[in-house]
Amino acid sequence: DQQVKQNSPSLSVQEGRISILNCDYTNSMFDYFLWYKKYPAEGPTFLISISSIKDKNEDGRFTVFLNKSAKHLSLHIVPSQPGDSAVYFCAARDFTGGGNKLTFGTGTQLKVEL
Amino acid sequence: DTEVTQTPKHLVMGMTNKKSLKCEQHMGHRAMYWYKQKAKKPPELMFVYSYEKLSINESVPSRFSPECPNSSLLNLHLHALQPEDSALYLCASSQEASGNNEQFFGPGTRLTVL
Repeated sequence: DQQVKQNSPSLSVQEGRISILNCDYTNSMFDYFLWYKKYPAEGPTFLISISSIKDKNEDGRFTVFLNKSAKHLSLHIVPSQPGDSAVYFCAARDFTGGGNKLTFGTGTQLKVEL
Repeated sequence: DTEVTQTPKHLVMGMTNKKSLKCEQHMGHRAMYWYKQKAKKPPELMFVYSYEKLSINESVPSRFSPECPNSSLLNLHLHALQPEDSALYLCASSQEASGNNEQFFGPGTRLTVL
């Protein structure tokens, strides 16, 4: 049972445009959400996070939006750059589990084209 | 120093071998994690250590044995593995194993079991 879902396995965007990556979750005990970027042959790199008490968090070109009622979060990258091409994972933390346990989505491959 | 290092980068072992994966961080983090990632799948949590004590074991088979010799080091001892254990093994660390703490990942060890 996939508790964190990224329904788009891939996304292609032109350089300079906005990239929107989506993530849905089913577990209402998730209270902290993160986005990671992963290049081939490297470990995931932390990008941005959001607590369930907020609906938006912004850091430079990256903004994460959280809609708790819809159990949906999204990552906006603007403007998109070729170096943003990577696999993006959303992750969620279940506060009841303890130990900062993260559940990851299946990932979305973003390709930013010139 | 803001990185998590893992050795070796690649490991090939037979089903009767004993080997160890090593992970190190010098960020003063008190929580460390082992994840397993199969191809085209998200990382899956295996173990969490908090203040050098095992706090979460996600029902991992005993052929995987974690060890935390000190707050900077995390090992994963491997014995009698199966070919289906071939995967990328990722180590991560965070400031604490509670609260809103992002996890920082190492580059991983690519393990092949013959």
